[in-house]
This record gives sequence, C-alpha cells and structure tokens, in this order.
Amino acid sequence: AQSVSQHNHHVILSEAASLELGCNYSYGGTVNLFWYVQYPGQHLQLLLKYFSGDPLVKGIKGFEAEFIKSKFSFNLRKPSVQWSDTAEYFCAVNYLTYTGRRALTFGSGTRLQVQP
Amino acid sequence: DADVTQTPRNRITKTGKRIMLECSQTKGHDRMYWYRQDPGLGLRLIYYSFDVKDINKGEISDGYSVSRQAQAKFSLSLESAIPNQTALYFCATSDPDSTYEQYFGPGTRLTVT
Repeated sequence: AQSVSQHNHHVILSEAASLELGCNYSYGGTVNLFWYVQYPGQHLQLLLKYFSGDPLVKGIKGFEAEFIKSKFSFNLRKPSVQWSDTAEYFCAVNYLTYTGRRALTFGSGTRLQVQP
Repeated sequence: DADVTQTPRNRITKTGKRIMLECSQTKGHDRMYWYRQDPGLGLRLIYYSFDVKDINKGEISDGYSVSRQAQAKFSLSLESAIPNQTALYFCATSDPDSTYEQYFGPGTRLTVT
C-alpha cells in the first residue's frame, strides 16, 4: 500500500521563525501531491498542490513546497510564520488503488503551534 | 452557503446502535468520499464513490456501509457502533477534471460509549 510519512508530529515555533515540515511518500509512479491545512475546529482546506512542471509550488498565505522526485519528498515551507498559522498540516498523495481508480492517502499530520 | 455539508455535526451514541451520517454537496461533483480522522493517524479512507452506481471500499471499510442516494448525497452507516469507531468523520468531493483536488465538509464528531 502507498504511504505518506510526516516525521514532525508537533512543532512549536515563535512568530517570525521559519518553517519547514517534512513529507515523504512511497509511491513510485506518477504522483500528484497536496498539502492541506486544518485550523482549529475547521475542516480541511487546500494549501497548495503539485501536478507537473515547476517543482517549486506556491500556495496561499505565503506557503510553498518543493517536490524532489529523487527523494520522494514534498516539504512545506514558510519563511516567517504568524500566530494565525497555528493549525494541523496534512500532506497527501494521489495514488492508484486496486480498482484502477485514483484516491488520496494522507500523512498522519503535523500540529504546528505558533507562539506570539 | 457551504458546498459540502454534513449532518449531524456531533453525535453521541451507545455501543450496538445503528447510526447514519449524511453528506450533501452542491458542487455538482460526481466523486464523493468518506474519511475518518484519528489523532496521530491522519485521515483514512473508508469508502468512495465515483458515481451513483460506482461504490468502492477504502482502506478501513470494515464495520461501515455506504449509500449513494443521488449524485449530491452520500451516506455512511455504522450498523452496530463500537467504541473504537469514535472519531471525526469527513465527507469530501472531487471533480474528475480537477486533477484530484478534494473539497471537504465540516466533519461529524462521533462518540460511541
């Protein structure tokens, strides 16, 4: 089965610090990659996505992620975090299921806490 | 108005009871999904449906069943709830032309006592 690993389970940063959240996946074929964010008490929202082309993708709220195919990685970055970035972040990869259809598999999530 | 709605938003039920969670969408998408979220485990796919007559099991379908009543409605049932089904349940939709981006509902928090 395909898997997505997020090694940072809980990250605590001060405002203005830089952020990098790791994401690695196991699928060897063509992938579509996503980062979703879940603010406290809210549903998941798409932060950014990669399908093809430039491996450095930019999303909302100043986030970006870099797809490194050789490392099976899709790390999320932000140069300067704000208190409002406190949330849980999920990496996801689109994969081919046993039915021949594609679905998403999610990492376990990283809880980011930004201290004022 | 929200594009993907879920009812109920919160539910407490007893072991052995049957419960249904409902999802409706106004996005006009063919594809709908049910996930459960557990702390430290992320989201796991329970069932997915690519149209009204196309329903597929996800990675953790045991103990669950689904019904796709219409393009806009996709229900998840727990025939006999057990405590380890206590979780946050999310419904999602996607458009086959949008390269697999999914849109999530607000979630249903289910507690089985």
